[in-house]
Amino acid sequence: LAKTTQPVSMDSYEGQEVNITCSHNNIATNDYITWYQQFPSQGPRFIIQGYKTKVTNEVASLFIPADRKSSTLSLPRVSLSDTAVYYCLVVKAAGNKLTFGGGTRVLVKP
Amino acid sequence: GAVVSQHPSRVICKSGTSVKIECRSLDFQATTMFWYRQFPKQSLMLMATSNEGSKATYEQGVEKDKFLINHASLTLSTLTVTSAHPEDSSFYICSAGEAKTGLADEQFFGPGTRLTVL
Repeated sequence: LAKTTQPVSMDSYEGQEVNITCSHNNIATNDYITWYQQFPSQGPRFIIQGYKTKVTNEVASLFIPADRKSSTLSLPRVSLSDTAVYYCLVVKAAGNKLTFGGGTRVLVKP
Repeated sequence: GAVVSQHPSRVICKSGTSVKIECRSLDFQATTMFWYRQFPKQSLMLMATSNEGSKATYEQGVEKDKFLINHASLTLSTLTVTSAHPEDSSFYICSAGEAKTGLADEQFFGPGTRLTVL
């Protein structure tokens, strides 16, 4: 499984856009990029998944350049409740286990 | 999305006792479930893959005789921490995947079980 590298922590303020970049230089052809969010003492929650270009859903956008060696999770107009740890994972299709890296601890300040 | 539950949410036990944690997929069937352990301020570490009707697959360094996994049905997997010691105190989380055509599986995580061994 491709290893991922992302910032250890980021601070932001309410209403700002938060962008977290993850590098995955060894990503394989059949790998997908997936992001999870985890609040303290809770299980992770799926945010978004993509293969290439841009994916958007109701909570976030995921930007993936053509070489797919990195990806950026974009959280628009964050609120205090978005304070959490965000994990970038590279996942193979169909049922494979997840390998979590260190994650990025995002702190949203008032 | 699909829902995964865990029971109990927290448990405190004495050293040397065994503790069973249940993981249930409430509205879908899961042939495969995963068990993770998470220490404070650290990331999730995969312990084992639980396969319905067959033996679990353990990650390197995880003692299969200490962490017994049983996946007796398509909606239930159990993790039993045998002869628990204080160093086993941790947050245990399970997950189950729902297959998606053309995409990688989306994993649904349980709320976790906080184990404290005195």
